[in-house]
Amino acid sequence: DTAVSQTPKYLVTQMGNDKSIKCEQNLGHDTMYWYKQDSKKFLKIMFSYNNKELIINETVPNRFSPKSPDKAHLNLHINSLELGDSAVYFCASSQDRSLANTGELFFGEGSRLTVL
Amino acid sequence: GNSVTQMEGPVTLSEEAFLTINCTYTATGYPSLFWYVQYPGEGLQLLLKATKADDKGSNKGFEATYRKETTSFHLEKGSVQVSDSAVYFCALSDPYSGAGSYQLTFGKGTKLSVIP
Repeated sequence: DTAVSQTPKYLVTQMGNDKSIKCEQNLGHDTMYWYKQDSKKFLKIMFSYNNKELIINETVPNRFSPKSPDKAHLNLHINSLELGDSAVYFCASSQDRSLANTGELFFGEGSRLTVL
Repeated sequence: GNSVTQMEGPVTLSEEAFLTINCTYTATGYPSLFWYVQYPGEGLQLLLKATKADDKGSNKGFEATYRKETTSFHLEKGSVQVSDSAVYFCALSDPYSGAGSYQLTFGKGTKLSVIP
């Protein structure tokens, strides 16, 4: 069983479209994240949810909206896609919100979004 | 704010060579430090960690020592293998900066290629 699974793995779409990426974790973790990895492999946090509550909301365009229906799921919806949104989006989870002690994030395999 | 600086890649080594990937950090207080590894086509996974000064993290032959005086956490391995080819990320979590403990701040990653 995959611990953190994301779908779809690849997504190719036109500018202006709306798309969603889904994420599920079966680890029983309380906290989930979305990270964006650009073409140079730089990773930047976008959002974090703890027990369905938004705890980190970095400066991202409001075209990006996370939704957490329950603590095992964190979906990412993107409106009006732009060329610059092309990247790999990683979902991750951790046992609790504080990473200072364990620091262990469990990552999904990533969803590669290409906007044409 | 918190930041992590890693040596620029890519790094290409022959099998059995000695590896060092430099990492320095800036943080408000006394962060916990981590190395993550990303194999091709996969998500990141935790390689090792150190939560206080002079701690040494180790795993799979890799080591890193938390040096508070030089704010560094360099990754080393005595003899690399082809299977070590991956992108390596240094990261920190700062428990003294509010939301800083709820996220990992990553460096830009260093790509390692090991040739037979």
